[in-house]
Amino acid sequence: AQTVTQSQPEMSVQEAETVTLSCTYDTSESNYYLFWYKQPPSRQMILVIRQEAYKQQNATENRFSVNFQKAAKSFSLKISDSQLGDTAMYFCASTQGGSEKLVFGKGTKLTVNP
Amino acid sequence: DAGVIQSPRHEVTEMGQEVTLRCKPISGHNSLFWYRQTMMRGLELLIYFNNNVPIDDSGMPEDRFSAKMPNASFSTLKIQPSEPRDSAVYFCASRRDGTEAFFGQGTRLTVV
Repeated sequence: AQTVTQSQPEMSVQEAETVTLSCTYDTSESNYYLFWYKQPPSRQMILVIRQEAYKQQNATENRFSVNFQKAAKSFSLKISDSQLGDTAMYFCASTQGGSEKLVFGKGTKLTVNP
Repeated sequence: DAGVIQSPRHEVTEMGQEVTLRCKPISGHNSLFWYRQTMMRGLELLIYFNNNVPIDDSGMPEDRFSAKMPNASFSTLKIQPSEPRDSAVYFCASRRDGTEAFFGQGTRLTVV
């Protein structure tokens, strides 16, 4: 079965510091997509960053970057220079090659403290 | 495009009543997903459609839940009869092959 695991239910970080959120996934396919979504209190799901499994280069979007370790099936999210507006639930998600099924982890609640 | 549109935004109903949630995906997207979000279970995939065909409904909790996608621009999720444990936020999302999923605003369902 396709699974996504986020082992950190909650994390906190001081404003301007760096934090890393962990995610591991399980798939038997060689081609798939990985995503990180952010859900602020408004409950809107917002895409943070995406990674195609066939690309070796780690994706980067401004202050957000990933550490994609394909062999280890690990996909962590690093947030640099944390801002108060980064406070939210963060969800890791994966598709599976040959299928458009999109499965999410249980989420990590991130709090950025002033 | 207006994005994924869900209705209603909020629904309060009595136990035993039928509830229908609606979703209009983004035009051109060929996959549609229904998720349920609760504190205990996180974001659960209930069912997903590809080209209007239900592909995987293994996440549908019980026979009380059913979903349809009669055409590329509309889908419904129905609960009949509803129970208090069905209270949750229900999300609809759509995507095109190889892209990210776009989510609607969600429907907060409360069954009393």
